[in-house]
Amino acid sequence: AQSVAQPEDQVNVAEGNPLTVKCTYSVSGNPYLFWYVQYPNRGLQFLLKYITGDNLVKGSYGFEAEFNKSQTSFHLKKPSALVSDSALYFCAVRDMRNRDDKIIFGKGTRLHILP
Amino acid sequence: DSGVTQTPKHLITATGQRVTLRCSPRSGDLSVYWYQQSLDQGLQFLIQYYNGEERAKGNILERFSAQQFPDLHSELNLSSLELGDSALYFCASSGTRGEQYFGPGTRLTVT
Repeated sequence: AQSVAQPEDQVNVAEGNPLTVKCTYSVSGNPYLFWYVQYPNRGLQFLLKYITGDNLVKGSYGFEAEFNKSQTSFHLKKPSALVSDSALYFCAVRDMRNRDDKIIFGKGTRLHILP
Repeated sequence: DSGVTQTPKHLITATGQRVTLRCSPRSGDLSVYWYQQSLDQGLQFLIQYYNGEERAKGNILERFSAQQFPDLHSELNLSSLELGDSALYFCASSGTRGEQYFGPGTRLTVT
């Protein structure tokens, strides 16, 4: 069965500092991995995904994520945080061996960027 | 704007009642997914439809049902509502590349 873990409920970062939001996953086969962001009273917005290829994936709003197969991780990063990055971030995984398209989401990490 | 629309935006109803939530996917997307988001349970996958057929089922209660129509819009029916059903309900659609695009959600309040 596939699963995804976001070990931190909340991450606080000063504006201008680099940020990392952690995610680890478990699948039987090879993973599709995703990051989404949710602003207050809004739906989730797709940020980036990893399917195959380069381990470093670049996405929207200057975010990137690094796929690490040996550590089964897919941490979200940004070199310099903005106050507007404050939001709820979800990591998600899909097992490529599954016939269905079910994506499992983590519980979310609330990112606070301090001015 | 993701291109996925959901109605209504807000819904307030009493326990024991039945409601229907509606979702229209992005143009060209064949898959529709329903999720429930509550404070204590996080984002829970309920059910997926693909081109009118049920494709995957998650933690969907027997009191809940869904369908996808020939024009690809989908409805989620929630019946015998309980206080604990109060949540945000999201619909998402996906194309061929795997990522999902979420609608703005319906906030259901059961009193």
